[in-house]
Formats: sequence, C-alpha cells, structure tokens
Amino acid sequence: GENVEQHPSTLSVQEGDSAVIKCTYSDSASNYFPWYKQELGKGPQLIIDIRSNVGEKKDQRIAVTLNKTAKHFSLHITETQPEDSAVYFCAASRDGGSQGNLIFGKGTKLSVKP
Amino acid sequence: DAGVTQSPTHLIKTRGQHVTLRCSPISGHKSVSWYQQVLGQGPQFIFQYYEKEERGRGNFPDRFSARQFPNYSSELNVNALLLGDSALYLCASSLGVTGELFFGEGSRLTVL
Repeated sequence: GENVEQHPSTLSVQEGDSAVIKCTYSDSASNYFPWYKQELGKGPQLIIDIRSNVGEKKDQRIAVTLNKTAKHFSLHITETQPEDSAVYFCAASRDGGSQGNLIFGKGTKLSVKP
Repeated sequence: DAGVTQSPTHLIKTRGQHVTLRCSPISGHKSVSWYQQVLGQGPQFIFQYYEKEERGRGNFPDRFSARQFPNYSSELNVNALLLGDSALYLCASSLGVTGELFFGEGSRLTVL
C-alpha cells in the first residue's frame, strides 16, 4: 500500500525566514496531495492541496510543488510568522479527490521564533 | 456555523471494555470519515461513510466498527479495548465523497 515519508520531523526558523517541508510517496497511482496544519488541541486543517496534473500551486505565503517522476512533493512557507508554529502533515490519496482515505506522513513540528 | 463536533472530548477506559465515540458533521455534509492519531504520528484512516453506506475501510481489526445515521451523524465503536487503542480519534466531514475534509477536534481515548 501507499507509504508517505515526511522530513524533517522538527524545523525551527526565525520569523521572516522561509520553511520547507518535503514528502515522498510510494504509490505511483496517487494523484491528490493535501497539506494540513494541526495546532495544539485542534484537529488538522487543510491549508493547500495539489493534484497530479499540476506541478505547482501557490496561495499567498504558501506554495506546494509536485514532482511526479521522483514521487515527491514539498510545502514552502515564506515570510514565516509566529502563528505559523504548528505541526504540518502531508498526505496522499489515489482516489483522485475522494478524500475519505488519506495516507498521512508523520508530521513536521514547525517552530517560528520571533 | 458549527464545525464538526465530537463527543466525548476525553475518556478513560480499561482493557477489555468497549467505547462509542460520536460525531456530528457540518450541516449539509453527507460524508464522514474516522481517523486514529497516535501521539507523535499522522492520522491513520479507519472508515469513510457516505449517505449511510461504508465507502472505505482502513487496516484496522474487526473490533472497530462504525455507522452513519439518517441525519449523517456517525458513531465509531471499538470493542475489547487494548492499551494500543489509546489515541486521538478524529472525525472529518465533507460535502460529498469528494471535497475538502473538515476535521473535528477529536476524542482522546486513554486505555488503562
């Protein structure tokens, strides 16, 4: 079955710097790749997603890139702010948008120091 | 509008007992999914229900079962609890089978 690896497990940056989180997946049939942010005591919240027919997607300070050949995708956060501090999860699905069944990475704890 | 609501928020059980967790989706959402999140790990898919029918099942033993009611709320049942069942159980809803997943804040189960 699908396996999603996520790196790094922890990431500490200064406010204003950029942060990059990388994920690789094993199932070449996966075609939907969302990113979730989970704050302490809360459920995960979708922040951005990308489908396999697109190489890059951007939403303000957040961007995601996808390399289908290498089977990896990355989250880029620019101009980080303290409120970006949270655990970030990547996920993959082969269901083309049927989001009930997502395979998640183990998460990256991002700390943004003021 | 209310988001996904789950109850109870915390509970403690002993090995061998059973537990029922409840989820109310966002109004108008017809799909509910359940995930287990062990401390320090990503959520792991357990079930998806859409229009009261099971649409998907993850790699969990038969001790885990779920159902969806006519009002689209859902229950997750776990029988014969094991220490390893201790986790945060997340419910997520979406408008249909496809669509953005909205997660609740979870039910934290501790098995002693």
